[in-house]
Amino acid sequence: QQQVKQSPQSLIVQKGGISIINCAYENTAFDYFPWYQQFPGKGPALLIAIRPDVSEKKEGRFTISFNKSAKQFSLHIMDSQPGDSATYFCAASAAYSGAGSYQLTFGKGTKLSVIP
Amino acid sequence: EAQVTQNPRYLITVTGKKLTVTCSQNMNHEYMSWYRQDPGLGLRQIYYSMNVEVTDKGDVPEGYKVSRKEKRNFPLILESPSPNQTSLYFCASSAGSVRSPLHFGNGTRLTVT
Repeated sequence: QQQVKQSPQSLIVQKGGISIINCAYENTAFDYFPWYQQFPGKGPALLIAIRPDVSEKKEGRFTISFNKSAKQFSLHIMDSQPGDSATYFCAASAAYSGAGSYQLTFGKGTKLSVIP
Repeated sequence: EAQVTQNPRYLITVTGKKLTVTCSQNMNHEYMSWYRQDPGLGLRQIYYSMNVEVTDKGDVPEGYKVSRKEKRNFPLILESPSPNQTSLYFCASSAGSVRSPLHFGNGTRLTVT
């Protein structure tokens, strides 16, 4: 079964610090890697996504770093704020063929707490 | 307002009593999907639909049924619920596939006793 391994399971960061969440995958057919953010009582929402033709993508304080050879990607949250406290899920989707583009495999999630 | 609406938000039922969780989206999206979220397991896909009358199994389809008779609706049916189906369920939709942003509902917390 396709897997995406996410770590850490939980993370506590002080306000203004950098939050880093890591994900690793095995399936080399994966070619789309989104991150979803989930607040308590809500459904997940897309935060940022990357494809393997670039090594980094930045949107505001959020950056995805991608290492194709290591089959790893990570989310960096710069200047972390209490409002960033949420659960973060990495995910992956296989190449656009057959069912691959219709299935998203999620990591198990990281609960981030940013303390003042 | 663009949204995915699930009902009910909370549901407590007994083993074997058939139930349906409804999902409706108002964005004219072709793709819809159901996920279950369990502590320590993350989000796992149950079923998905690429368009009306086109559905396929996800990673954990056992014990569930779906139908897509209309573009906007994608109900999840548990014909004989069991306690191991106690979970938080999310419906999601997107304009094309999972490579477009998935819009999630606010979830249905199901307890089967």
